[in-house]
Amino acid sequence: EDQVTQSPEALRLQEGESSSLNCSYTVSGLRGLFWYRQDPGKGPEFLFTLYSAGEEKEKERLKATLTKKESFLHITAPKPEDSATYLCAVQAGGGYQKVTFGTGTKLQVIP
Amino acid sequence: DGGITQSPKYLFRKEGQNVTLSCEQNLNHDAMYWYRQDPGQGLRLIYYSQIVNDFQKGDIAEGYSVSREKKESFPLTVTSAQKNPTAFYLCASSGTGNQPQHFGDGTRLSIL
Repeated sequence: EDQVTQSPEALRLQEGESSSLNCSYTVSGLRGLFWYRQDPGKGPEFLFTLYSAGEEKEKERLKATLTKKESFLHITAPKPEDSATYLCAVQAGGGYQKVTFGTGTKLQVIP
Repeated sequence: DGGITQSPKYLFRKEGQNVTLSCEQNLNHDAMYWYRQDPGQGLRLIYYSQIVNDFQKGDIAEGYSVSREKKESFPLTVTSAQKNPTAFYLCASSGTGNQPQHFGDGTRLSIL
């Protein structure tokens, strides 16, 4: 069974204090790993897709990396508007595009 | 702008009542999905559809039903058989292959 574990569950940072969120996964035949941002009362907003180990993607203060067992979402010099829950999801091989989601990391950035 | 529209934003269900959540997309995506989100749990798949007039049960389909008569629309009915319906319901769609899913802004269902 595919599994996604995110850590930490919650993270509180001072504005400007860089850190990383972790997503560990177990999947048979990774087709893609996705990162989303979710604000309270809203649907997840797509951030990145990573397809193979060694791949990196960047967007503003966010950088996602991928190894064979885990992915990291690095946040450089975060601002209060980066506060949100960050979700990781994996898509396994096979005919159906099933995606397994982690439970998320709730990030709070303090001014 | 292309996107996914869910309505209503809030919904209340009485005992013994069926309620229907709407999901419409104009992204021209073939695949559509319904998820349930509860505090402290990951998104759980209720139903999915890869093509018009075809849909499959997900991990927690009991007490729910869907239809896919049009490519753009994938309504979810929460029946009276669903004993714990209070949750945040999310609709998503995706293109073919390993394309990411894109989500609507959800419907929060509560019990009166």
